[in-house]
Amino acid sequence: GAGVSQSPSNKVTEKGKDVELRCDPISGHTALYWYRQSLGQGLEFLIYFQGNSAPDKSGLPSDRFSAERTGGSVSTLTIQRTQQEDSAVYLCASSLRGREGEQYFGPGTRLTVT
Amino acid sequence: AQKVTQAQTEISVVEKEDVTLDCVYETRDTTYYLFWYKQPPSGELVFLIRRNSFDEQNEISGRYSWNFQKSTSSFNFTITASQVVDSAVYFCALTGTASKLTFGTGTRLQVTL
Repeated sequence: GAGVSQSPSNKVTEKGKDVELRCDPISGHTALYWYRQSLGQGLEFLIYFQGNSAPDKSGLPSDRFSAERTGGSVSTLTIQRTQQEDSAVYLCASSLRGREGEQYFGPGTRLTVT
Repeated sequence: AQKVTQAQTEISVVEKEDVTLDCVYETRDTTYYLFWYKQPPSGELVFLIRRNSFDEQNEISGRYSWNFQKSTSSFNFTITASQVVDSAVYFCALTGTASKLTFGTGTRLQVTL
């Protein structure tokens, strides 16, 4: 079956521009997560969606970061006014309800801010 | 606050050697889950195992085995008869009452011929 897909796979943007990263979770998975992986910070949780509940945004590093999930499926992570420290691989994962830690990850979007 | 420590940054072994990756965790939750994920050079994180805090039975899956000891807050991972394809970064992770994963910093395993 299809796994988690993310687009684009690579994104290069200029400092100050906004970017949108997309995630398509595995069909039937109600939970969706965004993480960030960078050399200096390792793997960091950003945000978590579970069904129609309010998202857990506790990991978002600043108000320049936001995410939404439409129709309980596709999610978009938006970074406004990008900074060089935003350069990282952004990973999306999904899981079944009740198996939240057992997350299936997408290939990631490598974001480079120049 | 939750914390996962993987003290071994990098390990190199020769094929067919056994290798153990260490993981120590901290949590105040009484119910929690522990995980291991593999990140091969291709980059995609792959789920390997999930254990809950009430089940301290060791688990074996082929050449992989996991040793969970609550008394020492450790969840170690052993690869028996390592192979070149085992070369990857391995992450230990933890969830508690919140569903988000707290990851360790990873251990890079290099298996050579």
